[in-house]
Amino acid sequence: EVQLVEFGGGLVQPGGSLRLSCAASGFTFSSYLMHWVRQAPGKGLVWVSRINSDASSTTYADSVKGRFTISRDNAKNTVHLQMNSLRAEDTAVYYCARGYYYGSGSNYYFDYWGQGTLVTVSS
Amino acid sequence: SSELTQDPAVSVALGQTVRITCQGDSLRSYYANWYHQKPGQAPILVIYGKDKRPSGIPDRFSGSSSGNTASLTITGAQAEDEADYYCNSRDSSGKGVFGGGTKLTVL
Repeated sequence: EVQLVEFGGGLVQPGGSLRLSCAASGFTFSSYLMHWVRQAPGKGLVWVSRINSDASSTTYADSVKGRFTISRDNAKNTVHLQMNSLRAEDTAVYYCARGYYYGSGSNYYFDYWGQGTLVTVSS
Repeated sequence: SSELTQDPAVSVALGQTVRITCQGDSLRSYYANWYHQKPGQAPILVIYGKDKRPSGIPDRFSGSSSGNTASLTITGAQAEDEADYYCNSRDSSGKGVFGGGTKLTVL
């Protein structure tokens, strides 16, 4: 059974840092791209970042580029999101999601999601 | 533009058919996916690749697409289908894109 479990969320002051982690199990982790998606309270889903299977390529939403860093440890089946210079508008539930690519890799969807971890940026 | 636009809210009578739409330029090049999300829960994939259903998703859910518009149709809506629905695709750089979500109410 595929499982994704996020942890590391919490309360942090503006300008602070936090590191989220997502532990994966039930599939060959090193074969899949992994993504982070966030959802502010009462708002919609927003894509944040992705990392390819061997960590050689990363992509970020404009809103977090330069502040967030995605990484992965294929030996530990874990993906991380290092969040620096946090702002109030980063307050959200952060989900990790597995990306399933098909059609020569030109299309993808999120077939498994974690339960999310809440990040609150407030003084 | 890589934005996806959805109607904020839609309602349907129990047992009737409802269509939820999603518009965006990226849909001319890439397939749409659909997720539903209930309060306090993670999203669940209901349609991928424009019109394919994951295992376990009832066949009352179907997807279609034409031009820059993708649609999710629920034929014979049930009370348990009341949820937020999000469309999703990608942009030319590979970044994910989500619609703003549609709140479906089953009357």
